[in-house]
Amino acid sequence: DAGVIQSPRHEVTEMGQEVTLRCKPISGHDYLFWYRQTMMRGLELLIYFNNNVPIDDSGMPEDRFSAKMPNASFSTLKIQPSEPRDSAVYFCASSLRLTGPWGELFFGEGSRLTVL
Amino acid sequence: GDSVTQMEGPVTLSEEAFLTINCTYTATGYPSLFWYVQYPGEGLQLLLKATKADDKGSNKGFEATYRKETTSFHLEKGSVQVSDSAVYFCALSADSGGSNYKLTFGKGTLLTVNP
Repeated sequence: DAGVIQSPRHEVTEMGQEVTLRCKPISGHDYLFWYRQTMMRGLELLIYFNNNVPIDDSGMPEDRFSAKMPNASFSTLKIQPSEPRDSAVYFCASSLRLTGPWGELFFGEGSRLTVL
Repeated sequence: GDSVTQMEGPVTLSEEAFLTINCTYTATGYPSLFWYVQYPGEGLQLLLKATKADDKGSNKGFEATYRKETTSFHLEKGSVQVSDSAVYFCALSADSGGSNYKLTFGKGTLLTVNP
């Protein structure tokens, strides 16, 4: 089966531009997560969805960030306008939540964003 | 709140050396514990897990034992290979059900294995 698919893998843009990152979760998974990874702050949870509904967006840094999940097989993370401090690797992950503890998340390969 | 503390990296070893990466945690209740690995240019992937005290998780030669008395989950491997070079993340999940997401990651430890 295909894993979590993210695009683009690399994005270089100028400050002030809009950036859209895309994610296709593993088919059948009911949870989708967006993480940001930087050297300074490590791995940060931005937002997560359950059955396409945003559950917790308290990790979204500010109003410039927004995320949507219009259907079970697609999600976007948008930054508008972008700033240099948004430079990071953005990961999408999905999970099938049955019973038992959280733990097995399946991560995509990430989108490396550089804002000049 | 829940937290995970990992040893600071980077860790540099020669091939076939013994590896230990320390991980301690603070959590309410009875957490499950995990190690994730991130190879260069890739996302994180689950390496091993333990869901109750004294459980030992193991995979690919790596082991970690859930020690409730010391609130620790140290990662070990007897003989590392160059291909083990990666970033290793300790994580905990403090719930045993429900739909609210609760997975706390440590900051990660970079391991470099030289031939």
